[in-house]
Amino acid sequence: DTGVSQDPRHKITKRGQNVTFRCDPISEHNRLYWYRQTLGQGPEFLTYFQNEAQLEKSRLLSDRFSAERPKGSFSTLEIQRTEQGDSAMYLCASIEGETQYFGPGTRLLVL
Amino acid sequence: RKEVEQDPGPFNVPEGATVAFNCTYSNSASQSFFWYRQDCRKEPKLLMSVYSSGNEDGRFTAQLNRASQYISLLIRDSKLSDSATYLCVVSTSGGSYIPTFGRGTSLIVHP
Repeated sequence: DTGVSQDPRHKITKRGQNVTFRCDPISEHNRLYWYRQTLGQGPEFLTYFQNEAQLEKSRLLSDRFSAERPKGSFSTLEIQRTEQGDSAMYLCASIEGETQYFGPGTRLLVL
Repeated sequence: RKEVEQDPGPFNVPEGATVAFNCTYSNSASQSFFWYRQDCRKEPKLLMSVYSSGNEDGRFTAQLNRASQYISLLIRDSKLSDSATYLCVVSTSGGSYIPTFGRGTSLIVHP
């Protein structure tokens, strides 16, 4: 257990529905990253926060995706109007220095 | 060309064998290098950082070759428990810290 938690661990939804995932990082870590991982691939960077500020967003993050980190603590990632191509593992990581501590991920299946 | 490339394998080796993985990167400005381990359906976990002078941690040795832009991971005396996917991670320093993952190399150690 890295100390990073994610909720839910699994989500099955129908195409077109909205979903929201939550990540609770290690409390003293200022930086929080979101990644997406599909089968046979490494994690792909989506976005990251320094405290409550969202500093970078990947071009993978279409306008259907939005992330927040109110008060610089937990973060949420919302996907609107889900598509089958959104099916993946969504990982968040809490960063200390250059070491990433990953949560267990949320596995999303869009039917 | 992908920024970080790895041979996906799988590498099938017997217990006690020595196995080596390479990872090539395309951005010559890359400054930080890591190996992460990911067990099946689990989150990635830091295995070791890779320093310019190389580093060793027990049975694991990591090396960096800046001229040829690759890093390597050597595992000696393989154990069954070493079976996992090994992810290469590369990032530039300064400004935004955006780690780039390779797709991973699968290792299967058999009795």
